[in-house]
Amino acid sequence: GQSLEQPSEVTAVEGAIVQINCTYQTSGFYGLSWYQQHDGGAPTFLSYNALDGLEETGRFSSFLSRSDSYGYLLLQELQMKDSASYFCAVRDDKIIFGKGTRLHILP
Amino acid sequence: GAVVSQHPSWVICKSGTSVKIECRSLDFQATTMFWYRQFPKQSLMLMATSNEGSKATYEQGVEKDKFLINHASLTLSTLTVTSAHPEDSSFYICSARGGEGTDTQYFGPGTRLTVL
Repeated sequence: GQSLEQPSEVTAVEGAIVQINCTYQTSGFYGLSWYQQHDGGAPTFLSYNALDGLEETGRFSSFLSRSDSYGYLLLQELQMKDSASYFCAVRDDKIIFGKGTRLHILP
Repeated sequence: GAVVSQHPSWVICKSGTSVKIECRSLDFQATTMFWYRQFPKQSLMLMATSNEGSKATYEQGVEKDKFLINHASLTLSTLTVTSAHPEDSSFYICSARGGEGTDTQYFGPGTRLTVL
């Protein structure tokens, strides 16, 4: 079967750095994606890692270790608008989502 | 970037009626479309995968006779929720993937279904 594990909730302070971890167990694997979803909205694509290492896009970075079946999303200089749910997702022939991490940001 | 639209964005219907949701790829040809369902505060669950011109492949536990999927053209897929009941109330999201050489999935904005 397929499973993705990520924390259900994380709380951080505005301006700080937060890391959301994701471990996965899947039959097929092309890469690991991260999506952001605000309440009432559709998921929006943040990043995709097909190879080991760190990918940086502005304040957001994503890391993948294929040998450890592990990845994380790093959010820097947190802003209140970053309050949302973040999903890791495994891509093979289709995209399978994790259960999501609700990020709460305190002023 | 590629754009995927859904119509309607929200719908309220009475129990027992059928509801059709459209998913369109606006600026590319989508050989494969996916339908997801998301209940409040939960993850997106893949319901089915459809390839243009062929029958959809449903995930385990999804009733194919209740959730009818048609992918008749390279730019349009429809999901029909037949004889909807309150437990079918959910956020339905489609995504579309282009042809050979393109493996990126583009997500639609979602359709919120409320069954009274």
